[in-house]
Amino acid sequence: DTAVSQTPKYLVTQMGNDKSIKCEQNLGHDTMYWYKQDSKKFLKIMFSYNNKELIINETVPNRFSPKSPDKAHLNLHINSLELGDSAVYFCASSQEVLLADEQFFGPGTRLTVL
Amino acid sequence: AQKVTQAQTEISVVEKEDVTLDCVYETRDTTYYLFWYKQPPSGELVFLIRRNSFDEQNEISGRYSWNFQKSTSSFNFTITASQVVDSAVYFCALSDPYSSASKIIFGSGTRLSIRP
Repeated sequence: DTAVSQTPKYLVTQMGNDKSIKCEQNLGHDTMYWYKQDSKKFLKIMFSYNNKELIINETVPNRFSPKSPDKAHLNLHINSLELGDSAVYFCASSQEVLLADEQFFGPGTRLTVL
Repeated sequence: AQKVTQAQTEISVVEKEDVTLDCVYETRDTTYYLFWYKQPPSGELVFLIRRNSFDEQNEISGRYSWNFQKSTSSFNFTITASQVVDSAVYFCALSDPYSSASKIIFGSGTRLSIRP
């Protein structure tokens, strides 16, 4: 069984479009995250949710809006896509809320904005 | 401010050699956590180890070992008798769960290539 899953795996779209990436975890964890990994492999946290509540919101453009319908799901919606949004986006989950625990990562979604 | 430095961008060794990946961190917090994650060519990130700031004991897990030294703010990772399957990008990370601006910082990663 996949622990943390993301869809789609690849996403190619035009500048200005709106797109969503879905994430689901079946580990029973309370906390979920979104990370962005750029072309140089730099990995940066974007958001963290605990039991559907936003905990961490890094300096991310407000075109990015996470939504957590329940604690097993954390989706990422991106409006008005820009070239600089091209990256691999990783979803992750952990049992603890305070970033003290190991995180389980999804397989990543490679977003290419043309 | 927190910072994680992995000065070695790329390392290439021949199989069966030992290799050490360096990680130096900066933080003003007294309570923090350090992690290592592995990202193989397939792309997923895999947790390897977690250490809290009060536990300086070195850890060994099979061919992997970690050396945590608060005096030098380092958390180095050694692979003994490396294998081709160890080829990956390795990330060191620092989290400060109890600060007012709780976050996790990843280093820039070290790309390790093991040649047969």
